Amino acid sequence: NAGVTQTPKFQVLKTGQSMTLQCAQDMNHNSMYWYRQDPGMGLRLIYYSASEGTTDKGEVPNGYNVSRLNKREFSLRLESAAPSQTSVYFCASMGGNGANVLTFGAGSRLTVL
Amino acid sequence: GNSVTQMEGPVTLSEEAFLTINCTYTATGYPSLFWYVQYPGEGLQLLLKATKADDKGSNKGFEATYRKETTSFHLEKGSVQVSDSAVYFCALRLNTGFQKLVFGTGTRLLVSP
Repeated sequence: NAGVTQTPKFQVLKTGQSMTLQCAQDMNHNSMYWYRQDPGMGLRLIYYSASEGTTDKGEVPNGYNVSRLNKREFSLRLESAAPSQTSVYFCASMGGNGANVLTFGAGSRLTVL
Repeated sequence: GNSVTQMEGPVTLSEEAFLTINCTYTATGYPSLFWYVQYPGEGLQLLLKATKADDKGSNKGFEATYRKETTSFHLEKGSVQVSDSAVYFCALRLNTGFQKLVFGTGTRLLVSP
């Protein structure tokens, strides 16, 4: 099925460990996004990539890095995880057809102990 | 800056009740407006949208009208079902250049039989 695929779905880390969340879309979309979702905070943008080869910071980029590996893939890396990064992470993509509609992945639940 | 304000939840209704979830926005230009829905354990998906003033978006019995004079985009449904239980997010996106979606904090709807 076409869409946005995120891995892993669940992950538990210890403080200071590193990990990478993977995201891939097969809709030939230009822009891709990483959000985190926390209770009472809604969705907050971490990083985005307007097109292949570019990345930019969103609202809450501290503690994260991203890589737009190619047009399909956009990964999010936590170099040294902290308990404040416990959250649900969503990857999303948007085509350039003027529809302005985001397509989301199913989410990755990360717990940092 | 650009922002979206939604009513706090949870909104608790009985099946077949009328639903309104309020959403107001602040924007420096003329945005497109969206409602996204998140069912338990899933990512967000587009429910409906409106791209200009007085447009009405509709889908699955839900409606919202873009009111420029009151900067609002309230979500309504005449008769809710248990299956409508979810979190609803209002969002905006400016229509000039590359713009990111700005989300509200979400409103949880609980519908009981």
